[in-house]
This record gives sequence, structure tokens and C-alpha cells, in this order.
Amino acid sequence: QKEVEQNSGPLSVPEGAIASLNCTYSDRVSQSFFWYRQYSGKSPELIMSIYSNGDKEDGRFTAQLNKASQYVSLLIRDSQPSDSATYLCADYFNKFYFGSGTKLNVKP
Amino acid sequence: ETGVTQTPRHLVMGMTNKKSLKCEQHLGHNAMYWYKQSAKKPLELMFVYSLEERVENNSVPSRFSPECPNSSHLFLHLHTLQPEDSALYLCASRKGSAASTDTQYFGPGTRLTVL
Repeated sequence: QKEVEQNSGPLSVPEGAIASLNCTYSDRVSQSFFWYRQYSGKSPELIMSIYSNGDKEDGRFTAQLNKASQYVSLLIRDSQPSDSATYLCADYFNKFYFGSGTKLNVKP
Repeated sequence: ETGVTQTPRHLVMGMTNKKSLKCEQHLGHNAMYWYKQSAKKPLELMFVYSLEERVENNSVPSRFSPECPNSSHLFLHLHTLQPEDSALYLCASRKGSAASTDTQYFGPGTRLTVL
């Protein structure tokens, strides 16, 4: 059974700090990885996608992928209260597999 | 707005009712999905349609019946549901190409409550 694991949190960080969200996956053939943000009562929205080992930066967000260790992470620099949400990790191989999400609280 | 719309946004129904959820995508995608999201659980894939043909059914109870009349519209017909079916039902669409890099775009969801 393919699995994507995330710590459910909540992860609390002060405003302006770096938030680090982690995700591990069980299937080595996974090809693509996605981070979604989901505000309470809303649907998931894509933040980042990453396909190759290493780092990928987009504004305050950096995704990191290590296929050998089977983990993918999301760093949020200069965290803002508006970043408070649940972050879903997903990988793709023929279909999407989602983790249960990590709840992030950014305290003013 | 992601280009995927869902109606209704909220639905309360009794166990003996029949209702339908509707999803429409304006992105020119070829694949559409129904997911169920329950509290503290991963998104559960229910149905996948690619080019209007159902390609996956993850052993979803028969009280859920999908319909995909064309590549832009997707329905989920509901009948004799149980209280444990109360959840957020999300529709998503994707290009449907063989590329693994294509992401899904989600609609706003329908919050379903079964009494």
C-alpha cells in the first residue's frame, strides 16, 4: 500500500520565522511531488511542485526533494499569519497519493 | 478561482434522499476526479474519468454513482447515504496527459451532511 506520511501538527512558529514541513513517501517509483495549502473550509490549492532532487524556490517557499531518502519538504521563510493553514503533500505515480496534512499556526 | 466550479457548496440530506453533486471545469482538461475528504484523513480518491471514460473505482459503495457526460462536466449521484458519508467532496481536473508533472486543480468542494 502506497503511503505518504506527514506529521499532523500543529506546528507553531512565530511570525517572521522559517516554517519547515516534512513529508515521507513509501514508493521509490514516485515521479512528481506537490505541496498544497488548504485553508479551513476551503479546497486545496497548489503551492509548489518538484520533480528533481534538490531545491526549488518560489518566493518565500522552497521545496526540497531527496529521492534516495524518500522525503520531500517545504520551507516557508518569513512566515506570516496568513500562512496558517493545513499543508498537504502529494506524490504522483499513475495517480495522486495524499498525506493527511500538517496544520501550521503562525503566531503574530 | 481555479477554473473548476462545484454546486451546491453545502448540502444537507436525509438518508432516504437522492441528490446530485455537479462539477464543471473550464480549463480544457481531459481528466476529472472525485475525492472525499473527512476530518484528519488523507484525501480519498473515489472516481477518475479520463476522456470521459471511468478508469478507476476504488471500491466506493454503490450508493455513490458518478456520471461524466463530457470532458467538462462531472456528476456524483447520491442515494441512501449514511451519516458516515458526511464529508467535503472535492472535484478536481487535470490535463490528462501522460506527463506526471501535470497537477490537479480543485474545485471549492461541496460540504455534505447526512442526517
